[in-house]
Amino acid sequence: SAVISQKPSRDICQRGTSLTIQCQVDSQVTMMFWYRQQPGQSLTLIATANQGSEATYESGFVIDKFPISRPNLTFSTLTVSNMSPEDSSIYLCSVHPGGGQPQHFGDGTRLSIL
Amino acid sequence: GQQLNQSPQSMFIQEGEDVSMNCTSSSIFNTWLWYKQDPGEGPVLLIALYKAGELTSNGRLTAQFGITRKDSFLNISASIPSDVGIYFCAGNNFGNEKLTFGTGTRLTIIP
Repeated sequence: SAVISQKPSRDICQRGTSLTIQCQVDSQVTMMFWYRQQPGQSLTLIATANQGSEATYESGFVIDKFPISRPNLTFSTLTVSNMSPEDSSIYLCSVHPGGGQPQHFGDGTRLSIL
Repeated sequence: GQQLNQSPQSMFIQEGEDVSMNCTSSSIFNTWLWYKQDPGEGPVLLIALYKAGELTSNGRLTAQFGITRKDSFLNISASIPSDVGIYFCAGNNFGNEKLTFGTGTRLTIIP
């Protein structure tokens, strides 16, 4: 299965700042996704990262707050903008390789906002 | 957004016991997946189910795709300490790869 690397693995940020999270895959994949996992909760889909076009956001998530890039088939970034303590979560990248294979996840980025 | 209901929410068992958990939805899915998440890591895929009524095993794990397409079950036999973690079910439909996740079942093994 595809190997997914997320950076940074964790960070502590100040209120009002922004952080960009990177997701690198070791092979070309059909689809990439970004999820949020709030403390003690399940995973919620933020958006589908589309290669060469704007991401598709789920209800409750907007581009101004979570801008996403996907310049090619192996890389995507998620930015958490103007952070507040409520944004403290684990942010996870996942990939759908295609060819009937199910989604696989990176180890996530643990974000704490002071 | 929609979530799948998992039960139980948490389990406290002794090593060697069998474990059963389930996942229910108000709508049908064409694919059911079971993931396990350890502390500090992302979810790892355990079993994928693609056909209603399908029963699939992966070592000590057995999962079933409910015949109504609205539920799935995961069983773990003879639990061992490394089974500790949070188990998530997830569903999606053909042509739409977005996953809907369950609420999770936290498994703890009592010494």
